[in-house]
Parts: sequence; structure tokens; C-alpha cells
Amino acid sequence: AQSVTQPDIHITVSEGASLELRCNYSYGATPYLFWYVQSPGQGLQLLLKYFSGDTLVQGIKGFEAEFKRSQSSFNLRKPSVHWSDAAEYFCAGATSGTYKYIFGTGTRLKVLA
Amino acid sequence: DGGITQSPKYLFRKEGQNVTLSCEQNLNHDAMYWYRQDPGQGLRLIYYSQIVNDFQKGDIAEGYSVSREKKESFPLTVTSAQKNPTAFYLCASSRETREDGALHFGNGTRLTVT
Repeated sequence: AQSVTQPDIHITVSEGASLELRCNYSYGATPYLFWYVQSPGQGLQLLLKYFSGDTLVQGIKGFEAEFKRSQSSFNLRKPSVHWSDAAEYFCAGATSGTYKYIFGTGTRLKVLA
Repeated sequence: DGGITQSPKYLFRKEGQNVTLSCEQNLNHDAMYWYRQDPGQGLRLIYYSQIVNDFQKGDIAEGYSVSREKKESFPLTVTSAQKNPTAFYLCASSRETREDGALHFGNGTRLTVT
């Protein structure tokens, strides 16, 4: 069965530290992959997406993600975290032609001053 | 600015009452979706529609109904048959293209049923 897994429920980092949020996928073929961010009580905002081509994807707010086929991963990174990055982050996958999106259960990021 | 508008932001209902959540988009997207979000469970698909007058059940459609009479609008009705309706509901839309299938979300409606 297709799935998207975010192994970390909570992550705490200090402001200015680097960040990596993990995402693993299980699909028969390479899926489209997305990272979204959600602030409390709000909708989800797209950070970046991977469809094909360059495996290092740049997004908004200084985030990037790397698609690694051999590890079935699409981890989100940021070199220096800001206090405003505290939020919940969701990884999602979709198969071309179906547009049925599968979401991970989310990782809540806490940033220490 | 284009976007998705969900209303109301907060909704309170008594058990046994049907309630309709509004979702309007002006992005000219063909596809629209309803998701339910519960703590620790990510987003679960209730219904989606890829074209006007057509929609498909998602993973948790029982107790919900939708309509798609206009491209811009995709209202969700939570019926009294839904066993546990209290949740955060998110509406989304997307283009039907290979190059830009990202979901665009509204700001959600928090429904509380007592």
C-alpha cells in the first residue's frame, strides 16, 4: 500500500541551528512529493514540491528538500532556523494521474530562543 | 489575490443536526477536496471532485455529503450520521496538470458538535 511516513512527531531545535525533518515514502513508482507547513488554527501552505529532474528542490522561507530514490526519502532541511519557523510540517505524496494525496502524520517543530 | 475561502472559521452544532461548511475558490482550479484533520492523524480525505457535477468518495466519506454545482464552490455537509464530527475541516484545490498538482488550502473550519 502507498504510504508517507514522518518518523518524528516532535522536534526541538535552538534558534540559529540547522534543521532536518524526515519523510519516507512507499510507492510503486516515483510519486510527486510535497512539503507543507501549518501554523496553529490555519490551513497548510506549500513549502516546496518535487515532480522530476533535479533532486535538490528549493522552496520558500529558505527551505530545501532532497529526493533520494535509494532511501525512499524526501527530507526537509533549513540551515538556520528562526523562531517563526515553529509550526507543524507535513510531507505528502501523490501519484501522477490520480491526484490522490497521501499525507504523513506531521512533525511539530519547536524553536528555542 | 486568488485563494480559497472557507466559512465560517468556527462552527458549533448540537448532536443530531446537519451542518454545511462552505468552500469557495477563485483560482480557476478544476479539482477540489475536503480533508478532515484530527490531532496526530494527519489529513484524511473525505471527498474530492475533479470536475463540475462529479465527485468521488475519499477514505472517510461515511456521514458526509458534497455537491459541485459550480467550479468555484464545493460545500461539505456533515450529517447526523457522522459518529464523531468534531474536527478541523480543510478545503483544498489543485490544477489538473502534470506540472502543478500542488494542493492549495483554505484556512479551515473548526466544527464542534456537542
